[in-house]
Amino acid sequence: DTGVSQDPRHKITKRGQNVTFRCDPISEHNRLYWYRQTLGQGPEFLTYFQNEAQLEKSRLLSDRFSAERPKGSFSTLEIQRTEQGDSAMYLCASSLFRVTEAFFGQGTRLTVV
Amino acid sequence: DQQVKQNSPSLSVQEGRISILNCDYTNSMFDYFLWYKKYPAEGPTFLISISSIKDKNEDGRFTVFLNKSAKHLSLHIVPSQPGDSAVYFCAASGGENSGGSNYKLTFGKGTLLTVNP
Repeated sequence: DTGVSQDPRHKITKRGQNVTFRCDPISEHNRLYWYRQTLGQGPEFLTYFQNEAQLEKSRLLSDRFSAERPKGSFSTLEIQRTEQGDSAMYLCASSLFRVTEAFFGQGTRLTVV
Repeated sequence: DQQVKQNSPSLSVQEGRISILNCDYTNSMFDYFLWYKKYPAEGPTFLISISSIKDKNEDGRFTVFLNKSAKHLSLHIVPSQPGDSAVYFCAASGGENSGGSNYKLTFGKGTLLTVNP
């Protein structure tokens, strides 16, 4: 499978714990995006990487959130001190050029209890 | 402030009939529009798109219409099939020369389409 891969697919964590998600983009794609989708809403932009540089961050990405893309390959999204409001589907996408050509992964479903 | 609006949370149609999903936007900087299909527990899958310089784009059973003056677009599915049952998201992006972002998609809340056999 050469699509965007996300791991884990599901994560249940207790409030206050830290979690980390991984995204492996399509191999030749240099652009990588993170989105979050909560219940009843469409996906919302979180952050954008071009190669290893994080070029844009949404106001949704509070200080508890950090994203990295070392060496411009895979990316990780870490949430520290999780809160119940962090429960959502976290989606990763990648593209070679414009975001309008991006492919999405299957997402990581986070449940904070 | 929701810049992309899908005012119908759900739509139910009979197999073989036309499905029409609507989307409105407020940001005049948007210059590219997309429709995605999403099944539960999966990521969005690209369906069809349209540039703001066009008013219609067709791909098989799917046609997207854009009315720039009304800031409105619609997705037509003809004929509808039970496998089309999913949540459909309208999304918009701004181009590099428009002043809008070309790295971000702004999504509507989605419309759940149910096609009954």
